[in-house]
Amino acid sequence: EAQVTQNPRYLITVTGKKLTVTCSQNMNHEYMSWYRQDPGLGLRQIYYSMNVEVTDKGDVPEGYKVSRKEKRNFPLILESPSPNQTSLYFCASTREGGEQFFGPGTRLTVL
Amino acid sequence: DQQVKQNSPSLSVQEGRISILNCDYTNSMFDYFLWYKKYPAEGPTFLISISSIKDKNEDGRFTVFLNKSAKHLSLHIVPSQPGDSAVYFCAASGSSGTYKYIFGTGTRLKVLA
Repeated sequence: EAQVTQNPRYLITVTGKKLTVTCSQNMNHEYMSWYRQDPGLGLRQIYYSMNVEVTDKGDVPEGYKVSRKEKRNFPLILESPSPNQTSLYFCASTREGGEQFFGPGTRLTVL
Repeated sequence: DQQVKQNSPSLSVQEGRISILNCDYTNSMFDYFLWYKKYPAEGPTFLISISSIKDKNEDGRFTVFLNKSAKHLSLHIVPSQPGDSAVYFCAASGSSGTYKYIFGTGTRLKVLA
């Protein structure tokens, strides 16, 4: 089954404690993205990757890092989380032609 | 500055009637548009897309219309079903092949049985 998986699904942490949200896809897509969803703001792109070792900033990259060492994995790293990064995060994988497949989401709370 | 706008946060429609969800955009360079549906506790799922070379695309009960001069697109669902109750997002891309999308804020559709 074609899918995008994210872990963890829920996370409560404290300010400054580094965390990583993993994302993996089994569709061999080259293009992957991370989004955050906030009330009244829709989905905003944080980072995207067009292929292995190729990443670029989206619209709201501040406070986040990503890496793309293998095609299937695209982890999102928060080196020093702050309360304004409390949000619902989605990873997405895009097939050629533009259709995006989203993961189930990770709800992050930073205290 | 919101480049993709969904001005109706919510919409209620009777089962069997038509649902019309609207989306406006400001960037004339956008050339590819998509609609996604999102249920609670799930990620968005792709519904239908349209390229700027077309003004209409149909897929079963779902039709998307694009009016480039007005920078407006709409999603029509006919007939509406209770299972269509969800949040709908429109998204736009300005550079074919880069898949960099700008999303609207979403419209919550409730289909009443």
